[in-house]
Order: sequence, then structure tokens, then C-alpha cells
Amino acid sequence: GAGVSQTPSNKVTEKGKYVELRCDPISGHTALYWYRQSLGQGPEFLIYFQGTGAADDSGLPNDRFFAVRPEGSVSTLKIQRTERGDSAVYLCASSRGQGSGTQYFGPGTRLLVL
Amino acid sequence: SQELEQSPQSLIVQEGKNLTINCTSSKTLYGLYWYKQKYGEGLIFLMMLQKGGEEKSHEKITAKLDEKKQQSSLHITASQPSHAGIYLCGADIAGNTGKLIFGQGTTLQVKP
Repeated sequence: GAGVSQTPSNKVTEKGKYVELRCDPISGHTALYWYRQSLGQGPEFLIYFQGTGAADDSGLPNDRFFAVRPEGSVSTLKIQRTERGDSAVYLCASSRGQGSGTQYFGPGTRLLVL
Repeated sequence: SQELEQSPQSLIVQEGKNLTINCTSSKTLYGLYWYKQKYGEGLIFLMMLQKGGEEKSHEKITAKLDEKKQQSSLHITASQPSHAGIYLCGADIAGNTGKLIFGQGTTLQVKP
């Protein structure tokens, strides 16, 4: 079956613009996670969803970041007023259920803010 | 400071040699995951360990979680160029929350 997919694979934007990053999890996986990975570092947790609700958003760096998962499947990470420091690879993962089970990662979206 | 420390940060080995990567935490690890990442790609799941003393193997890669569940090692036997990449350990330190923290990664190069 298909793995986790993310679009776009690359995004270049200008400082101050708004961007949306999409994640399509593995079919049947109820938990979905967003991480951010800077160059030379491991991924950092941002937010995770169990179904449609955000179960833990403690990793979102500030209120410019927001994520939704309206139907419990596809999720969108939204970044307002982008800053150069937002440049990173944004990774999405999904698992069968919250708190247990292996997280399977997508290929990531490389965001570059000029 | 990192909650999960990996060592070494980078490693260059000759093809055919064995190697070990370590992942250490100051807190109890409720689930320890090993992933591999190639440049420009996502994380590929290798193995998951939960019980103290647990050991798992897949092909030439073996991972162990110590009895106190605060350290894990990843051992590759007879390394091949295909083993090259970045190895990341990730752990649930809060207890079945699903929220993983990761080490900074170990970059492995295998010289043919």
C-alpha cells in the first residue's frame, strides 16, 4: 500500500508570505504527526492529531503555525508571515494509534524562506 | 542539552567492517525507535525496542535496549555501501504519548 505522502516536495517563498504544507497519511492510520528538521539535527516534534483533534500541539513554535485535520485523514500545516528561520524540512508521520505503534514518515517538504 | 545523545556524530568505515552507534538518555525510554535517513529523503523505520534487555535483528543490523531502558545501541555487521546514511534514534520519554524526541543523528559513510 501507499506510504505517507507530502506535497509539495519543495517550497520556496518570500519572507512574510503564507504557506500550506499537505500530508496524506497511510490509509487507516488514526494518528498523524508533524515534525520539523533543521540541517544537521534530528526532527523536532510540532503537533500530533488523534483523529480530527489536535491531541498535543506543544511543539508549535508560535501562533504563526497552525495545523488542521478536518476529516481525520489529510492534514495541512499552515505557516503565516513566514520568516527565514522557518526554513527547514517539515516531516509528517502517521501511526495506527496514538501513543503506540511505529510512526511511518513521509519524504518531507523542504521549505526555503528567502 | 539534547535529551537523547547519539555517538558518534559521524563515522567512516571500510566496507566489511563492523560498527556500533549509541543512543543515551537521562530518562527512562518507553519506546526506542531506530530510523535511517538518506539525504533529501524521509525517515525509514528500522526497529523498535520497548522492553529492557530486548534485542532485535534485521539482516545485518542488530539493536539492543539495555536493562535500565536508558541506552540503546545499533550494531551493523560487515558494513556495505548501502548502509550509508544518517541513523537516528527516537524515543517516547513521556510514556505512550506518541510524541517522539530524536537524537541529532549519526552520519555513516562506508568506503568501498
